[in-house]
Amino acid sequence: NAGVTQTPKFQVLKTGQSMTLQCAQDMNHNSMYWYRQDPGMGLRLIYYSASEGTTDKGEVPNGYNVSRLNKREFSLRLESAAPSQTSVYFCASSRTGPGETQYFGPGTRLLVL
Amino acid sequence: AQSVTQPDIHITVSEGASLELRCNYSYGATPYLFWYVQSPGQGLQLLLKYFSGDTLVQGIKGFEAEFKRSQSSFNLRKPSVHWSDAAEYFCAVAPIGSARQLTFGSGTQLTVLP
Repeated sequence: NAGVTQTPKFQVLKTGQSMTLQCAQDMNHNSMYWYRQDPGMGLRLIYYSASEGTTDKGEVPNGYNVSRLNKREFSLRLESAAPSQTSVYFCASSRTGPGETQYFGPGTRLLVL
Repeated sequence: AQSVTQPDIHITVSEGASLELRCNYSYGATPYLFWYVQSPGQGLQLLLKYFSGDTLVQGIKGFEAEFKRSQSSFNLRKPSVHWSDAAEYFCAVAPIGSARQLTFGSGTQLTVLP
């Protein structure tokens, strides 16, 4: 039981490049989330998926797209990376909505030059 | 909109001393309340949560938190800090019975002196 896994662990991009961050959970959770963490700002929600086939914007969705591939996997795509997207990205999952406990992955550190 | 305030950006305590980390929230009704801990280079781990009932909540690693409705607070406490408790601590809130997002505070960095 690995919990929530994320790949890659670390990535360096040039401005304008694209990439996809992968997330998978093996806890049979319905809901999945993508957050970004910036110094002094805590975690901010980018997108979430309450169930397979649905996605909704969070607090900071601009510049990102998501895909809920199946119940296990939820990917985050940066189509044209910008230096402002330099951050640590966390994926999380939970049984139902945010009132239930969210379990977090180890994070992906992204540097955009 | 809901908000969470952690007024202390950084706290330093000596090993064996007691600890209290403050958390205040602004919300129309009593939300769900959480404390998470993040060790360096790691994801977030849930310490404890309050949904309803007893306002003193026990968590893992010897932590506890007390919900005070009148003060809109959910402070985290530990009677005796260990060096391994050095980490960043986040308070978070979520609306009851809603699929809306979890809102995090900006975090408190804890340093433990030997």
